[in-house]
Amino acid sequence: EPEVTQTPSHQVTQMGQEVILRCVPISNHLYFYWYRQILGQKVEFLVSFYNNEISEKSEIFDDQFSVERPDGSNFTLKIRSTKLEDSAMYFCASSGGTTEGEAFFGQGTRLTVV
Amino acid sequence: GDSVTQMEGPVTLSEEAFLTINCTYTATGYPSLFWYVQYPGEGLQLLLKATKADDKGSNKGFEATYRKETTSFHLEKGSVQVSDSAVYFCALRGSGAGSYQLTFGKGTKLSVIP
Repeated sequence: EPEVTQTPSHQVTQMGQEVILRCVPISNHLYFYWYRQILGQKVEFLVSFYNNEISEKSEIFDDQFSVERPDGSNFTLKIRSTKLEDSAMYFCASSGGTTEGEAFFGQGTRLTVV
Repeated sequence: GDSVTQMEGPVTLSEEAFLTINCTYTATGYPSLFWYVQYPGEGLQLLLKATKADDKGSNKGFEATYRKETTSFHLEKGSVQVSDSAVYFCALRGSGAGSYQLTFGKGTKLSVIP
């Protein structure tokens, strides 16, 4: 069964460092997403990406964040200068693009900023 | 904006007990509604969905009915098993054109004991 894969599963970084979280969406999907979940809080939408550009983003997705699809398979989330409050589980998802298409989620990357 | 409220956990039940996890939503128009499940160490998986009023989603013995009059989508299962222990998330996707992002509730942790 096709699945979304994320690497690494856990990343520890020092405050102020740049991190790149990687995702391989399902190959024939058209929409790609990043969500995050701070411990004990809601899963929050960060950004959606379609046709090589951002289609929606939330207030959380400020200038410190960027996304990229550098090749035909990977989808990355970069945090330019991490802060303690960026510590969270980050989920990548993809969907086939129809309004009723199911979003498939990866297992998540736990980011810990120290 | 759109929002989802689900009952606070954790919920602990004995095997074969009846499960209800309440979920209510606020949204304009006609959102699609979802229940996602996260088993320990895994990503979010779609459990069931409903895309219009009075639809009933069902899967693995779980059911939820889209009630527009009460803006609810409560999750039920008649007889839970230990293997149902997981975190359950209620979510909606807005009906606006080009909007595919999901809005999640906080999640409800279910523990089923033998």
